[in-house]
Amino acid sequence: EVQLLESGGGLVQPGGSLRLSCAASGITFSIFAMTWVRQAPGKGLEWVSAVSGGGDGTYYADSVQGRFTISRDNSKNTLYLQMNSLRAEDTAVYYCAKVTRGIGLDVWGQGTTVTVSS
Amino acid sequence: DIQMTQSPSSLSASVGDRVTITCRASEAISNSLAWYQQQPGKVPKLLIYAASTLQSGVPSRFSGSGSRTHFTLTISSLQSEDVATYYCQKYNSVPWTFGQGTKVEIK
Repeated sequence: EVQLLESGGGLVQPGGSLRLSCAASGITFSIFAMTWVRQAPGKGLEWVSAVSGGGDGTYYADSVQGRFTISRDNSKNTLYLQMNSLRAEDTAVYYCAKVTRGIGLDVWGQGTTVTVSS
Repeated sequence: DIQMTQSPSSLSASVGDRVTITCRASEAISNSLAWYQQQPGKVPKLLIYAASTLQSGVPSRFSGSGSRTHFTLTISSLQSEDVATYYCQKYNSVPWTFGQGTKVEIK
């Protein structure tokens, strides 16, 4: 069974940094692109970032470009999201998801909550 | 960037009703369209991909259709467990934009 487990969320002050992790099991991690999606309280889903299977291709939403960095360690089956210069509007539940080409986001983690507040 | 617009934003229907949700893309996206269901307090779940292919394990009362810019998700006979917010998402190219969601409730 494929499982994704996020960690690293928490309370951080505006301007601060946080690194999220997503540990994968039950898949050949390196052959799948991975993505982060967030959901602000009471709001819809927002795509944040994606990374190719090999880690050489990275993609970002305009709202996080230049502040967030996605990466992966295929030897550890782990996806990361380094978040810098955090703003109140980054407050959300952050989900990692596995991407299957031609299908979409077919496996989701349970999410980790990030709160940006002073 | 391509925008995804869903309608309606919410609806209320009776058990057994046929329910249709529409998703429009601001530019053609071929059939690179997925639908997700998010039940209250739960994680989003993939329902349909490639506009009309049912994900494994999804009940057959769910169906999808459309291509290029106009897509629909249909629930043929609404059940109480279908109470959820439904999202469309384009995945032909980044950004993989979601629609704003359609909240489905039971009347």
